[in-house]
Amino acid sequence: ETGVTQTPRHLVMGMTNKKSLKCEQHLGHNAMYWYKQSAKKPLELMFVYNFKEQTENNSVPSRFSPECPNSSHLFLHLHTLQPEDSALYLCASRGTGDQPQHFGDGTRLSIL
Amino acid sequence: GQQLNQSPQSMFIQEGEDVSMNCTSSSIFNTWLWYKQDPGEGPVLLIALYKAGELTSNGRLTAQFGITRKDSFLNISASIPSDVGIYFCAGQPAGGTSYGKLTFGQGTILTVHP
Repeated sequence: ETGVTQTPRHLVMGMTNKKSLKCEQHLGHNAMYWYKQSAKKPLELMFVYNFKEQTENNSVPSRFSPECPNSSHLFLHLHTLQPEDSALYLCASRGTGDQPQHFGDGTRLSIL
Repeated sequence: GQQLNQSPQSMFIQEGEDVSMNCTSSSIFNTWLWYKQDPGEGPVLLIALYKAGELTSNGRLTAQFGITRKDSFLNISASIPSDVGIYFCAGQPAGGTSYGKLTFGQGTILTVHP
């Protein structure tokens, strides 16, 4: 139990569907992150939120839309994804200063 | 951009053997982190290093922050079957506007034969 909970754990969707991934942290952290993890590639940072404000969009296609309503919750809205978007999507959070990031267990996304 | 080279990419060892893996960077980091990822789970923090030269242990794991601040290594002593997984290094720049962004290595896949 890392204190970062992601739902759903698995998601299969068609290219025309709309779905959302949810992340919730119970650690009192103020920064939250979305990563994409594909096979045989390093983790790719997608978005960074600090105190609910988006501070980083790492050239992510607009078919991925993040939302951070408060410091404890982070969403990733998905729309008209492509097969190459199939991956493990990881959420992480961290506190202030040089505190390390703590990860959730991810959502395994498969696009048909 | 910043890149981390992590080696080896994979290791196949016998139970009881010691393991060593390392990461090198083209630029300086203020923090080095080591994570382990088991199948179907997210990365779990093993050790965090905050000072150049720092040597930190966590049970059978020992990690060091290189003097040049461009490298780090992780050692596992007397490996056991549950050490199987993927080990990632990650570098974190100084605070300020970096918002704790991490640069990750490619990972070391560890297999331990009983």
